[in-house]
Amino acid sequence: DGGITQSPKYLFRKEGQNVTLSCEQNLNHDAMYWYRQDPGQGLRLIYYSQIVNDFQKGDIAEGYSVSREKKESFPLTVTSAQKNPTAFYLCASNRGRSYEQYFGPGTRLTVT
Amino acid sequence: GENVEQHPSTLSVQEGDSAVIKCTYSDSASNYFPWYKQELGKRPQLIIDIRSNVGEKKDQRIAVTLNKTAKHFSLHITETQPEDSAVYFCAASESGSQGNLIFGKGTKLSVKP
Repeated sequence: DGGITQSPKYLFRKEGQNVTLSCEQNLNHDAMYWYRQDPGQGLRLIYYSQIVNDFQKGDIAEGYSVSREKKESFPLTVTSAQKNPTAFYLCASNRGRSYEQYFGPGTRLTVT
Repeated sequence: GENVEQHPSTLSVQEGDSAVIKCTYSDSASNYFPWYKQELGKRPQLIIDIRSNVGEKKDQRIAVTLNKTAKHFSLHITETQPEDSAVYFCAASESGSQGNLIFGKGTKLSVKP
């Protein structure tokens, strides 16, 4: 199923808690991405990384943080500063610009 | 930056009919246009893509056309089947060194048997 995994599938947290979503790929892809999906909103880019130890903010980075210490891994932390964190989060990877992005199965985060 | 508009937001067709979904983009330097299909609760999966040096591409019942002058591209599905029911997203690559994808808001296609 593409070699990109996310865990957990469902995550529940209380307001005020930070939470980290996992994303791992074994496709040897240099680039990795995090998207947020809300009903009727399409996919919005949170953060992306083109190479290890480097990452850039996307369109909606406020309240999120990432790290890229290994090529295979790109974890996303949803901080308490994110005002509306409940959403479906998708991780993706590809060989680089203008190549197919492969998506993970997603993590559905619910914060109450 | 790049902006992608997708229409319609919902589309209902009878099994066997054709379905057409249209997208427009704003950045004339965009050069890569993929289409993704997402079934309920699942990950988006690439169904077809086209690059700016090609005007049309076909894969069995699915085709994509690109009009660079008008800055729009379309997905055509012929002989629709119930399993084609899903949300379809178009995307366009941003120009510049990053080349990130900008997605449309999606079209929910329902194929009625």
